[in-house]
Amino acid sequence: SFKLTQPPSVSVSPGLTATITCSGERLANKFISWYQQKPGQSPLLVIYQDTKRPSGVPERFSGSNYGSAASLTISETQALDEADYYCQAWDSRSGLVFGGGTKLTVL
Amino acid sequence: QVQLVESGGGVVQPGRSLRLSCAASGFRFRGYGMHWVRQAPGKGLEWVAIIWHDGSKWNYADSVKGRFTVSRDNARNTLFLQMDSLTTEDTALYYCARIGYDTRAHPADYWGQGTLVTVSS
Repeated sequence: SFKLTQPPSVSVSPGLTATITCSGERLANKFISWYQQKPGQSPLLVIYQDTKRPSGVPERFSGSNYGSAASLTISETQALDEADYYCQAWDSRSGLVFGGGTKLTVL
Repeated sequence: QVQLVESGGGVVQPGRSLRLSCAASGFRFRGYGMHWVRQAPGKGLEWVAIIWHDGSKWNYADSVKGRFTVSRDNARNTLFLQMDSLTTEDTALYYCARIGYDTRAHPADYWGQGTLVTVSS
């Protein structure tokens, strides 16, 4: 079955850039979405179709998909960006697939 | 504004059934596909099921196939998840989510607050 792999944790200092990766097979043929989830809250879509931001998501959030891996980049990281982040893709056989999630720590 | 409100969760014994509902408001429900996604305590997101906007197509995760049934009533703006033969592995917070922006990759642009299902003897 199709799988997406993320690092369990990423740390970043305030004001610097955080990058979270998401790897899987044949990503060039898929659109990747990213979700932010803070403790006790529902997930929030922050990136869809690899690079697009929903209305209301700060420009500091950007995405890319190079085919072998996708990434979520958060520039000028703030304390309020501390959360779990999940990548997601649709696979014709496996359905909607989420990565295992990455805990972003801002310290 | 878009609202999704899940209900129907609770404590249930293994092998029993439960039916979840998701009441939608603030948008044209019949125009959107919907997901059910669950999250076990302290764990990541796991997709459960998808249903197309008109209810004509659906798909399930392997972990629930044959036990769960997704349906919708577009006249009542409500999404359902019938869960049969429950096991302790089904214990999770169950979210309904609207599919937006992309009908190929099916990203979820709005989520409810979830309803907790606990399967325990």
